[in-house]
Amino acid sequence: EVQLVESGGVVVQPGGSLRLSCAASGFIFDDYTMHWVRQAPGRGLEWVSLISWDGGSTYYADSVKGRFSISRDKSKKSLYLQMNNLRTEDTALYYCAKDMAMRYFDFWGRGTLVTVSS
Amino acid sequence: EIVLTQSPATLSLSPGERATLSCRASQSISGYLAWYQQKPGQAPRLLIYDASNRATGIPARFSGSGSGTDFTLTISSLDPEDFAVYYCQQRSNWPPITFGQGTRLEIK
Repeated sequence: EVQLVESGGVVVQPGGSLRLSCAASGFIFDDYTMHWVRQAPGRGLEWVSLISWDGGSTYYADSVKGRFSISRDKSKKSLYLQMNNLRTEDTALYYCAKDMAMRYFDFWGRGTLVTVSS
Repeated sequence: EIVLTQSPATLSLSPGERATLSCRASQSISGYLAWYQQKPGQAPRLLIYDASNRATGIPARFSGSGSGTDFTLTISSLDPEDFAVYYCQQRSNWPPITFGQGTRLEIK
């Protein structure tokens, strides 16, 4: 059974930093592109970033480019999102999602909540 | 960036009725569109990919159609568990991967 479990979400002040983690199991982690997708409270879905299966390619939404960094560790079967210079508009539930090899998301975690507030 | 516009924003129907949800792209995306269902407090679930292919385990009452800029998700006969928010998503021209703003399907 595919499982994605996010962690690391907390309350942080504007300008602060945070690292989110996503532990993957139930599939061959090294074979798949992975994504972060976020959802602000009461709002829709926003794609944040992706990393290729081998970590060699990364892409970001314009709203986070230059502030967020995605990475992965195959030995730990984990995905990460380093978030710097956080803004109030980054407040959201952050989901880790598996790519079904077609830039669609076939499995999602339950999300971890990031709140940026002073 | 490709903008996806979903309509209506809210759809009120009764169990057993047919639901038709629309998603329009700001430019042609061929058939590279997916549909997701999200229930309160849950992560989204993939229903349809490449416009018309049902994902694993998705009931046959869900179907997708369309190409180019206009797409439709149809639920042939609404089950009580189908009342949720539905999002479309495109992968034709990325980054960024983009979502529609959602259609809320509520019980009438």
